[in-house]
Amino acid sequence: DTGVSQDPRHKITKRGQNVTFRCDPISEHNRLYWYRQTLGQGPEFLTYFQNEAQLEKSRLLSDRFSAERPKGSFSTLEIQRTEQGDSAMYLCASSLVSTSLFFGSGTQLSVL
Amino acid sequence: AQKITQTQPGMFVQEKEAVTLDCTYDTSDPSYGLFWYKQPSSGEMIFLIYQGSYDQQNATEGRYSLNFQKARKSANLVISASQLGDSAMYFCAMREGLQGAQKLVFGQGTRLTINP
Repeated sequence: DTGVSQDPRHKITKRGQNVTFRCDPISEHNRLYWYRQTLGQGPEFLTYFQNEAQLEKSRLLSDRFSAERPKGSFSTLEIQRTEQGDSAMYLCASSLVSTSLFFGSGTQLSVL
Repeated sequence: AQKITQTQPGMFVQEKEAVTLDCTYDTSDPSYGLFWYKQPSSGEMIFLIYQGSYDQQNATEGRYSLNFQKARKSANLVISASQLGDSAMYFCAMREGLQGAQKLVFGQGTRLTINP
């Protein structure tokens, strides 16, 4: 499979717990993006990387959120001390500089 | 600030008919790009078509075409000869600037249902 892969597909956690999601982009893509999609809404930009450098973060990304892309390949998104308002679909996408975004199937987070 | 508006929460169309999904946008940047994505129930966002603000002709990709009316700030998606597999959520999105990061702003989407 040469598409964007996200793991896990679903995550249920209790409020206050930490969670971590993983994204494996298309191998030759140097840009990687995280978006969040709540029920009934379109996705919202969270952050993006070019290679291993995190170049921009949205104001939506509170201090409880951290993203890494240590070797410029896969990325992780961690949420600390989860809140019910964090429940959403977390989408990862990758691209080359000049191409459109290719999205993964997302990780659905439910915070109880 | 940039904004995308999709005014049709749901659309119902008979198979093989053409369908138009509406999208209007607002931006003060003269350089921008417009996108349409399809999101089936599996959750993946599938890129359909792109139109740059300086493109003179409307974009087409197979059965998809983008009716770009710059003065009216509209970028409607036209699907010809609809198929049952076209049933999904459809999102219009925009990026300001034609270079740099693809920080897309999405509309709320339109749920398209194709009836046999």
